Amino acid sequence: TQLLEQSPQFLSIQEGENLTVYCNSSSVFSSLQWYRQEPGEGPVLLVTVVTGGEVKKLKRLTFQFGDARKDSSLHITAAQPGDTGLYLCAGESPRDDKIIFGKGTRLHILP
Amino acid sequence: ETGVTQSPTHLIKTRGQQVTLRCSSQSGHNTVSWYQQALGQGPQFIFQYYREEENGRGNFPPRFSGLQFPNYSSELNVNALELDDSALYLCAYKGKLGEETQYFGPGTRLLVL
Repeated sequence: TQLLEQSPQFLSIQEGENLTVYCNSSSVFSSLQWYRQEPGEGPVLLVTVVTGGEVKKLKRLTFQFGDARKDSSLHITAAQPGDTGLYLCAGESPRDDKIIFGKGTRLHILP
Repeated sequence: ETGVTQSPTHLIKTRGQQVTLRCSSQSGHNTVSWYQQALGQGPQFIFQYYREEENGRGNFPPRFSGLQFPNYSSELNVNALELDDSALYLCAYKGKLGEETQYFGPGTRLLVL
């Protein structure tokens, strides 16, 4: 069974600080996606990474896919209250194209 | 705004009842997946439909069933509701051919009493 472990589960930091959250697995994925979800809403896609070692930037957010395509990280620079939310990673299985989600990191940025 | 809509937004049922949830996409993409998200958890894959046929299923019992219609809208049906079925139910459509991105709807929050 493929599993995605996200860490930390919860993170509360002050506005302006930097942070990194992680998504790890013992399995290889065809691609990995990061989503942000706000209460009462569906997940909204932030980025998809496909190639091992790939780095993508979205304003203050930097996403990296591990060389072996088993893990990923999300780094936020100068966090803002608007970054508050549940960050989910999801991997696509190369066997059957199913999407597997981690449990998420709940991020709270204090003003 | 993903162009994916779900109805109803909220629903309260009692144990043993049956429920039907609906999902549609403005863009008419042909692959739709359903997920169950319990409180504090990530979404769990229920099943996927492609051109009206189920083509993938997660670890959910047969009382979870679905349909996809010729216009690619979809339904999730749950029979004999249990308390643990209380969750946010999400549907997601895949993007253009060759694009593996999923676009989620806002979800239906189901409470089983």
